[in-house]
Amino acid sequence: SSELTQDPAVSVALGQTVRITCQGDSLRDYYASWYQQKPGQAPVLVIYGENNRPSGIPDRFSGSTSGNTASLTITGAQAEDEADYYCNSRDSRGNHPFGGGTKLTVL
Amino acid sequence: QVQLQESGPGLVKPSQTLSLTCTVSGGSISSGGYYWSWIRQPAGKGLEWIGRIYTSGSTNYNPSLKSRVTISVDTSKNQFSLKLSSVTAADTALYYCARHAMTGTHFFDYWGQGTLVTVSS
Repeated sequence: SSELTQDPAVSVALGQTVRITCQGDSLRDYYASWYQQKPGQAPVLVIYGENNRPSGIPDRFSGSTSGNTASLTITGAQAEDEADYYCNSRDSRGNHPFGGGTKLTVL
Repeated sequence: QVQLQESGPGLVKPSQTLSLTCTVSGGSISSGGYYWSWIRQPAGKGLEWIGRIYTSGSTNYNPSLKSRVTISVDTSKNQFSLKLSSVTAADTALYYCARHAMTGTHFFDYWGQGTLVTVSS
């Protein structure tokens, strides 16, 4: 299956740690990438590969994978991290489905 | 710094063909290691990958859209294009183009700002 499943919404207290997960069979074979999208803006890549951050992405963002689950962890969440987060991966047929997205609220 | 810019009609009639172009600047579309993808997002909903093209012309399409989608590339203009036929209101969305890195792992590292396409008579 090429489907990726995310929790619709997650909340975190300011300064605390939050994990956003993405489940799918394809994650056993291919890494996920993660995107942050704020209202009215295009998505921004925050994590790719095993655990790589593009230039300009704070080091409080990290990624990991275990079995069929990829995780995006924000250590010490900030108010500006409130956004929608999407995972993406590829499947064996060369398709690149997105997860349904997780709305992160920073309390 | 690579930049992508979508362009095309903002309004398309039902049953017609949606046509968009993505112009790449700050780098050559022919540089190795990259696919070029189209992604869309209906208002208030999630992202949907539409398809990708390599500069050789090789394509992959979302199975749910495959029968209606054509993606092409014009390396002389540093552009790639999307055609989606037989559109309905369900195709109303913000359409993004993105550079799709494929060096070992796959990810979309540069995105356009998106262009809104409304399907309505």
